[in-house]
Amino acid sequence: GAVVSQHPSWVICKSGTSVKIECRSLDFQATTMFWYRQFPKQSLMLMATSNEGSKATYEQGVEKDKFLINHASLTLSTLTVTSAHPEDSSFYICSARARLAGAYEQYFGPGTRLTVT
Amino acid sequence: GENVEQHPSTLSVQEGDSAVIKCTYSDSASNYFPWYKQELGKRPQLIIDIRSNVGEKKDQRIAVTLNKTAKHFSLHITETQPEDSAVYFCAASIRNSGGGADGLTFGKGTHLIIQP
Repeated sequence: GAVVSQHPSWVICKSGTSVKIECRSLDFQATTMFWYRQFPKQSLMLMATSNEGSKATYEQGVEKDKFLINHASLTLSTLTVTSAHPEDSSFYICSARARLAGAYEQYFGPGTRLTVT
Repeated sequence: GENVEQHPSTLSVQEGDSAVIKCTYSDSASNYFPWYKQELGKRPQLIIDIRSNVGEKKDQRIAVTLNKTAKHFSLHITETQPEDSAVYFCAASIRNSGGGADGLTFGKGTHLIIQP
């Protein structure tokens, strides 16, 4: 149980275009999902917390108008990178919070590799 | 906000030896400390976690210790095997009594290399 998927797994786009990344919890409902960004050979950095039915909470330094998050259902959160630039190229990973065996855990999606040319 | 420091950045050990990775955190309110293993290009995989009401937890060859007073926690891997080679991340977050948790603050990672 607690499978999280992401789509697409990789995407290449031109500078100035927008890209939408989907994060789905396949076998459970997630009221809270998290979006992380990971640059090559670096750690994961929390970008925002996505709550179903309400506005996302962004971490300091993350532009909410550039990284649009929508959590319209209990199984889907989307991250849209607007007006992408080469410096936005990164590995974007979502996680969903689930309670299994009595304990809450975060389950990570497989990640989406974004390359902006 | 929370700040998590992790050392060393690279650790090379002989197969069969033990490996220890250490982390410190800054926010005394943090009470949940997971460890993740990440292979190149893949998602992080939770390998063990510890909550602040526990000082030590063990799962086969993996153990984690927590010192809340000093605000540090460590991962211990014994009898290392080639498949243990990966990047390991420690993390910290705040978990409330209802089970909800803040997003994770990660350490910078340790590249563990198991020499055959």
